[in-house]
Amino acid sequence: AQSVTQLDSHVSVSEGTPVLLRCNYSSSYSPSLFWYVQHPNKGLQLLLKYTSAATLVKGINGFEAEFKKSETSFHLTKPSAHMSDAAEYFCVVSDPKSNFGNEKLTFGTGTRLTIIP
Amino acid sequence: DAGITQSPRYKITETGRQVTLMCHQTWSHSYMFWYRQDLGHGLRLIYYSAAADITDKGEVPDGYVVSRSKTENFPLTLESATRSQTSVYFCASSRQGTYNSPLHFGNGTRLTVT
Repeated sequence: AQSVTQLDSHVSVSEGTPVLLRCNYSSSYSPSLFWYVQHPNKGLQLLLKYTSAATLVKGINGFEAEFKKSETSFHLTKPSAHMSDAAEYFCVVSDPKSNFGNEKLTFGTGTRLTIIP
Repeated sequence: DAGITQSPRYKITETGRQVTLMCHQTWSHSYMFWYRQDLGHGLRLIYYSAAADITDKGEVPDGYVVSRSKTENFPLTLESATRSQTSVYFCASSRQGTYNSPLHFGNGTRLTVT
């Protein structure tokens, strides 16, 4: 069974400082991992995805994440926060079985990122 | 513009009424999904479809019906709405299955059942 844990429900950082949003996962297989962002009253938008290629994944808007199998982690980072980064962020895991008729992604419960001016 | 469109954006209905939420995508993606988002539960899959005329249940299908006669449309019907179905509903699509392809989400329908 797969699972995902977002370790912080709420993170606040000052504008211009680094962002770290933490995600741990559990999967019996070699999973795919995604980060999505949700702005108020909007749907989720893909930030980046890991699908067993390079372990350091670059996404949109300056975000990146590193897949660490030994730590079962997929933390999201950004060197310098911008006001427009304020949103809800979701870590998502998908295992290879979902390619065979079991289209179940597992979503984390989300991390709300607040940017302090 | 290409994309995925949900309608209506907001809907208030009464307990026991039938309501249909619409979803239309212009990418010709094979897969389409319906999720509900609730505080404390995150996103939960209601139904999904791998192609036209192929649908399957997700985690929380009870009380919902779907159909997919055309690739681009995937309506979700609440046959007899209950207060527990008050939620934000998201439609999504993907080119392939969820292991390899990311989801593209609509902006959601906020449904209130009184």
